[in-house]
Amino acid sequence: NAGVTQTPKFRVLKTGQSMTLLCAQDMNHEYMYWYRQDPGMGLRLIHYSVGEGTTAKGEVPDGYNVSRLKKQNFLLGLESAAPSQTSVYFCASNPSGGYGTDTQYFGPGTRLTVL
Amino acid sequence: EDQVTQSPEALRLQEGESSSLNCSYTVSGLRGLFWYRQDPGKGPEFLFTLYSAGEEKEKERLKATLTKKESFLHITAPKPEDSATYLCAVPLYRGYSGAGSYQLTFGKGTKLSVIP
Repeated sequence: NAGVTQTPKFRVLKTGQSMTLLCAQDMNHEYMYWYRQDPGMGLRLIHYSVGEGTTAKGEVPDGYNVSRLKKQNFLLGLESAAPSQTSVYFCASNPSGGYGTDTQYFGPGTRLTVL
Repeated sequence: EDQVTQSPEALRLQEGESSSLNCSYTVSGLRGLFWYRQDPGKGPEFLFTLYSAGEEKEKERLKATLTKKESFLHITAPKPEDSATYLCAVPLYRGYSGAGSYQLTFGKGTKLSVIP
């Protein structure tokens, strides 16, 4: 099992450009999450999904959109990137034991820089 | 307000010098406390979950303990390869968009450096 994978690993955008980050998991997990990690701020939840076709807002959702068309994939989109979105983005997933209360398994991260 | 606080922010130890990291939380009805290890440039790696006061779990040189208000991650005779940032997380009830749910809320981490 590859676990949780993320593409791309690195990306540099100019202000106003758009991009999509892809998260894939091969563990048949029901719940998936997108976090951002910034120095001094810790990990913060952007959006999450409790199953195929569902999405919900987390702590810092503004400027991001998500989609979960297939159970194994969770996409994070930036429609018009801003320098404040420079961060490291992590995807995570956990099985159906309980979203938010069960062990989450993380991907390797995507480092995004917005100039 | 429910929150998760880790201390110290950074800790430097000599190889073999045992110490403890602290994670304090203020939440009623704890639904688990999670410890993760994060190496530079990588995603958090799950270490332990603790559910009730008095519970302890061990893995190699690490032992996690839990009380009603805090958790400790004890590191015995650390080696340089134990150098990493250690994160703790607690499910907290959040109502971001009208509907509430439990979300894993992370502390800011303790950066551990073990010097040979």
